[in-house]
Amino acid sequence: DTEVTQTPKHLVMGMTNKKSLKCEQHMGHRAMYWYKQKAKKPPELMFVYSYEKLSINESVPSRFSPECPNSSLLNLHLHALQPEDSALYLCASSGPGLAGGQNRDEQFFGPGTRLTVL
Amino acid sequence: SQQGEEDPQALSIQEGENATMNCSYKTSINNLQWYRQNSGRGLVHLILIRSNEREKHSGRLRVTLDTSKKSSSLLITASRAADTASYFCATAYTGGFKTIFGAGTRLFVKA
Repeated sequence: DTEVTQTPKHLVMGMTNKKSLKCEQHMGHRAMYWYKQKAKKPPELMFVYSYEKLSINESVPSRFSPECPNSSLLNLHLHALQPEDSALYLCASSGPGLAGGQNRDEQFFGPGTRLTVL
Repeated sequence: SQQGEEDPQALSIQEGENATMNCSYKTSINNLQWYRQNSGRGLVHLILIRSNEREKHSGRLRVTLDTSKKSSSLLITASRAADTASYFCATAYTGGFKTIFGAGTRLFVKA
């Protein structure tokens, strides 16, 4: 299985809602990533988990809360978002993990969740 | 900030022609990768070139890396309409954990 799955595909939420994005991979990868991508822009890194521990938080606002329950799953909890948070949220994984402090591996991306905040 | 800069921003060619995209970066890297993204979908990894490599081939793709100029190019030969997509370079920096994506080149191949 060389696939990264993301649910839901589309999500519309109000600014007072709480929702979660889910990502799953069964490739044995030990590094997992969340990216945010606005239209016609490159993906911007938000968080990196390595061996289920948060390794990088790119100064993301606390209304985004990542969670890695196990080596196959990655969640992104959303609360009190703003309309400018509307974007495509991409999950990726790479493995077998971050060796020697440097990522030498290609990343496998999921199809993304298209988020609209009203 | 995004450190990979790509040019051109957009490229329109006829089917069968070659397409060349360029990427520049600012600091030492461990490797450089190229990804393709079809409209509104996830990214697909195309090819990875390490900092000690100068050229790499994969099917119709040819990637070069010039670390002295901090630049890379992606050549797609004999393009097809199905190659229409956005192409991003991504750099993994020495001593860091992050992969930084360039601004991307939007390629349109006309049938």
